Amino acid sequence: AQSVAQPEDQVNVAEGNPLTVKCTYSVSGNPYLFWYVQYPNRGLQFLLKYITGDNLVKGSYGFEAEFNKSQTSFHLKKPSALVSDSALYFCAVRDTSNSGYSTLTFGKGTMLLVSP
Amino acid sequence: EAQVTQNPRYLITVTGKKLTVTCSQNMNHEYMSWYRQDPGLGLRQIYYSMNVEVTDKGDVPEGYKVSRKEKRNFPLILESPSPNQTSLYFCASQEGGGPGPTRRAYEQYFGPGTRLTVT
Repeated sequence: AQSVAQPEDQVNVAEGNPLTVKCTYSVSGNPYLFWYVQYPNRGLQFLLKYITGDNLVKGSYGFEAEFNKSQTSFHLKKPSALVSDSALYFCAVRDTSNSGYSTLTFGKGTMLLVSP
Repeated sequence: EAQVTQNPRYLITVTGKKLTVTCSQNMNHEYMSWYRQDPGLGLRQIYYSMNVEVTDKGDVPEGYKVSRKEKRNFPLILESPSPNQTSLYFCASQEGGGPGPTRRAYEQYFGPGTRLTVT
């Protein structure tokens, strides 16, 4: 069975500093990995995804994520945090190992708080 | 504007009173899904549909029903709601509903959520 772990319930960072939100995954085959962001009272918005190719993926709002197969990780990063980045972030994975339908499994979410 | 809409956004009801949460998408997506979001548990899939008249259970289907009579609509039905179904519900849609690695690469688009309270 596939799973996602987001080890931090909350990440605190000062505006202007780099941020990292951690994600590790477990799948049988190769993963498709996704990051979503949820702002207060809003639905989830897609940020970026890793399917294949370059391990460093760039997405919306200046975010990027690095796929590391040996560490089964897909950490979300941003060089300089903004107060407006404060939100709930979800990592999600899909397994590619079988030919049938593969559900999208989400982590429990990490709250990012950026202080002025 | 491409979007997924849900109604109502907020609903307070009593135990046992049947309710329906509607979901509609205007992107001609084949795949649609319902999730519930609970603190500390993330998003869990309730039901999904890979196309019209094709639905299947997700991880937490007990107490819920769905139907997919039209491509754009995917209502969630609670026949006899109970307090443990108090939650935040999200509908999502995705291009490409079938199996296969290409279809699995697409991202999902989410509705704004429905906050349900069952007393």
